Amino acid sequence: AQSVTQLDSHVSVSEGTPVLLRCNYSSSYSPSLFWYVQHPNKGLQLLLKYTSAATLVKGINGFEAEFKKSETSFHLTKPSAHMSDAAEYFCVVFTYNNNDMRFGAGTRLTVKP
Amino acid sequence: ETGVTQSPTHLIKTRGQQVTLRCSSQSGHNTVSWYQQALGQGPQFIFQYYREEENGRGNFPPRFSGLQFPNYSSELNVNALELDDSALYLCASSLPPRKNEQFFGPGTRLTVL
Repeated sequence: AQSVTQLDSHVSVSEGTPVLLRCNYSSSYSPSLFWYVQHPNKGLQLLLKYTSAATLVKGINGFEAEFKKSETSFHLTKPSAHMSDAAEYFCVVFTYNNNDMRFGAGTRLTVKP
Repeated sequence: ETGVTQSPTHLIKTRGQQVTLRCSSQSGHNTVSWYQQALGQGPQFIFQYYREEENGRGNFPPRFSGLQFPNYSSELNVNALELDDSALYLCASSLPPRKNEQFFGPGTRLTVL
């Protein structure tokens, strides 16, 4: 079965420092992986997606993620955090057999001034 | 281009009642998926509709049902409401072949008393 595990429920960084949000996946075949962001009282917004093309995926707002098959990981990074990055982040795997998007439990990112 | 819209934004019901939530897909998108997001958790897939037929279902009981209309809008119906049904209900639309690239609405907050 397809699943994702977000290794940190909460990450706190200072503004201007790097961000690392960790995600491991489980899949019986080549997965489609995504990162979504959810700001308070707002809908989910797609940050980036991996669908078996380049292993380093660039997304919006300076975020990127690297697909590492040997480590079954898809960690999200950003070189320099901004206050507006504070939100909940979800790692997601898509399962083609029933069109199911499997979300991780989420990582809350706090950015300190 | 109009994004995904959902109505109502908030709803309060009592245990045992029935509820209908509505979703209008993004312009041109013919596939609609519904998710339940309990407080502090990631969204869970309920089901997907494509061309007015159910096209995949998650682990939800039959009292969760849906419809899709010829204009691609959709309804989620929940019968015999339980307290645990209190959650944010999210709708997402997509357009095959990119059915895994889903665009989310802001959600409907359902409270069951």
